[in-house]
Amino acid sequence: AQSVTQLDSHVSVSEGTPVLLRCNYSSSYSPSLFWYVQHPNKGLQLLLKYTSAATLVKGINGFEAEFKKSETSFHLTKPSAHMSDAAEYFCVVSRSESSGSARQLTFGSGTQLTVLP
Amino acid sequence: DADVTQTPRNRITKTGKRIMLECSQTKGHDRMYWYRQDPGLGLQLIYYSFDVKDINKGEISDGYSVSRQAQAKFSLSLESAIPNQTALYFCATSDPGQPNEQFFGPGTRLTVL
Repeated sequence: AQSVTQLDSHVSVSEGTPVLLRCNYSSSYSPSLFWYVQHPNKGLQLLLKYTSAATLVKGINGFEAEFKKSETSFHLTKPSAHMSDAAEYFCVVSRSESSGSARQLTFGSGTQLTVLP
Repeated sequence: DADVTQTPRNRITKTGKRIMLECSQTKGHDRMYWYRQDPGLGLQLIYYSFDVKDINKGEISDGYSVSRQAQAKFSLSLESAIPNQTALYFCATSDPGQPNEQFFGPGTRLTVL
């Protein structure tokens, strides 16, 4: 079984300040972890992914996330927020890609990021 | 052009009506998925298909059916729509080599009155 918890449903930051979106997961096996972003009226776009390689993962638009097995966390960060970062962000856990398993993406409930001018 | 397209983008219907949502992709992926998104619940998997002859139920398939007409097309049907099927519906695709990296369409907003 696997699950993912996004600890904040809403986060507000000022433009130019750091962003932290928190995600904790549970998984019975070696997980793959993802962050997706959803802009208004758009589909979900993959931001970054962790698949058992480097624990610090860099994604698009300056975002990065660190896989911490001891804390079962995969928090998303960005040093300096931009107005265009305002969107909803989803943390996703999956079976490891090497497992040969089918789908089984489990989505968190989402964090709405607001960027204030 | 978008790699994954969904039609219609918005639909309002009445209870008891049959509705079909369509998804097409130009990514050449074998795997396709239908999800629904409700506020505060993230995405939940309705059905998924690994190829034209392989269709599987997801977490919340009751009240829904699907048809994989071709590699590029995957349709979702609500045989008799009910108000609690009001949601945002997403289609997604993935490559068998990277099944966990999914590419999403823009979504269909369905309202059942």
